[in-house]
Amino acid sequence: ELQLAESGGGLVQPGGSLRLSCAGSGLSFSGYWMSWVRQVPGKGLEWVANINQDGSDKYYVDSVRGRFIISRDNAKNSLYLQMNSLRSEDTAVYYCAREVSGRLGWFDPWGQGALVSVSS
Amino acid sequence: DVVMIQSPDSLAVSLGERATINCKSSQSLLSSSNNRNYLAWYQQKPGQPPKLLIYWASTRESGVPDRFSGSGSGTDFTLTISSLQAEDVAVYFCQQYYSTPQTFGQGTKVEVK
Repeated sequence: ELQLAESGGGLVQPGGSLRLSCAGSGLSFSGYWMSWVRQVPGKGLEWVANINQDGSDKYYVDSVRGRFIISRDNAKNSLYLQMNSLRSEDTAVYYCAREVSGRLGWFDPWGQGALVSVSS
Repeated sequence: DVVMIQSPDSLAVSLGERATINCKSSQSLLSSSNNRNYLAWYQQKPGQPPKLLIYWASTRESGVPDRFSGSGSGTDFTLTISSLQAEDVAVYFCQQYYSTPQTFGQGTKVEVK
């Protein structure tokens, strides 16, 4: 059973950068697309980005394209999200999740989430 | 982007009674190539990540109680909890995976009356 755990969240000033990590344990996630999904506390869910098995194909939601970079290191069973030029509207809990059934699929499992707060 | 609208935003149901949540998409989620609807349902309890309940609109994830069922096709979908239990109090989300970006409904909060 794959388990995911995010780290790297915290408080950052507008315009700053932060790098989130997601460590996978149990079954290797190298055979799956992986995604980042975020949630403003108490609000809805927004898919942010995903990446294919070998890291050669990536997709982003329009609001983060050009600012965020998704990457992975299968040797370390790890997924990353480099977040640059952060804005207040990026404040959210960020979840990593396995994307079942290819590039477009449902999400299972999810990590516990990492809170990112963008504020001066 | 495909817009997902859930209704109602919240509902209160007595224990043992039926709860019904609706999800409507701005375009059809039915694929003509495989005749499948690209829709999933999740349950989220406070302080926890979402948990997958149903995919392909009506396929229950392993381990999910059979009181949870999904139905619908095209643009209109329903999640039904046939007999509400106390542990079902949560927010429920639908999600389309027919096209990028994958999008979610705004959520429906289910409480006990």
